[in-house]
Amino acid sequence: GAVVSQHPSWVICKSGTSVKIECRSLDFQATTMFWYRQFPKQSLMLMATSNEGSKATYEQGVEKDKFLINHASLTLSTLTVTSAHPEDSSFYICSARDVPSGRPPYEQYFGPGTRLTVT
Amino acid sequence: QKEVEQDPGPLSVPEGAIVSLNCTYSNSAFQYFMWYRQYSRKGPELLMYTYSSGNKEDGRFTAQVDKSSKYISLFIRDSQPSDSATYLCAMSALDYKLSFGAGTTVTVRA
Repeated sequence: GAVVSQHPSWVICKSGTSVKIECRSLDFQATTMFWYRQFPKQSLMLMATSNEGSKATYEQGVEKDKFLINHASLTLSTLTVTSAHPEDSSFYICSARDVPSGRPPYEQYFGPGTRLTVT
Repeated sequence: QKEVEQDPGPLSVPEGAIVSLNCTYSNSAFQYFMWYRQYSRKGPELLMYTYSSGNKEDGRFTAQVDKSSKYISLFIRDSQPSDSATYLCAMSALDYKLSFGAGTTVTVRA
């Protein structure tokens, strides 16, 4: 159980276009989803936290107008990179929690990641 | 200064050796300490977690936390080639947000 999928696994787009990445919890309801970004040989950096039915909370330094997050249901969150540029090329990973607040943070399940390349 | 410091390695050991990994942190609010394994171009997979100082064992893996020194370690005994991966430490306060180390790339040579 506790499987999280991401789609697509790999995407190449041209500079100036927008790209949507989906994160789905396949066998549980994800009340909270997290979006991370990982550059080569660097750690995962939390970009934003999204709760189903409410606006996402972005970390300091993350442009909310550039990285649009929608958590429309308990099993789906999407990250849209708008007007992508080569510097947005990175590995984007989502994670999901299936428990109400009060449970420990390690009960968080990661997707396989999406590699975005902007040319 | 980063909140979590982890030597990125790389670390190369012969099969059967003990792999020793560690992280230091600066945020006293961290209460939960995790180790993840990540294969190339894949999402992280939880290996161990703990929330108190001391040792925790799970098979060939031992996680160690020293809150007074703000230092955590992961030991892998009898290492196998299949243990070759990047190992990430992660920590969290009560806000459930994870702060990750940079990851240490480990290669176990057959």
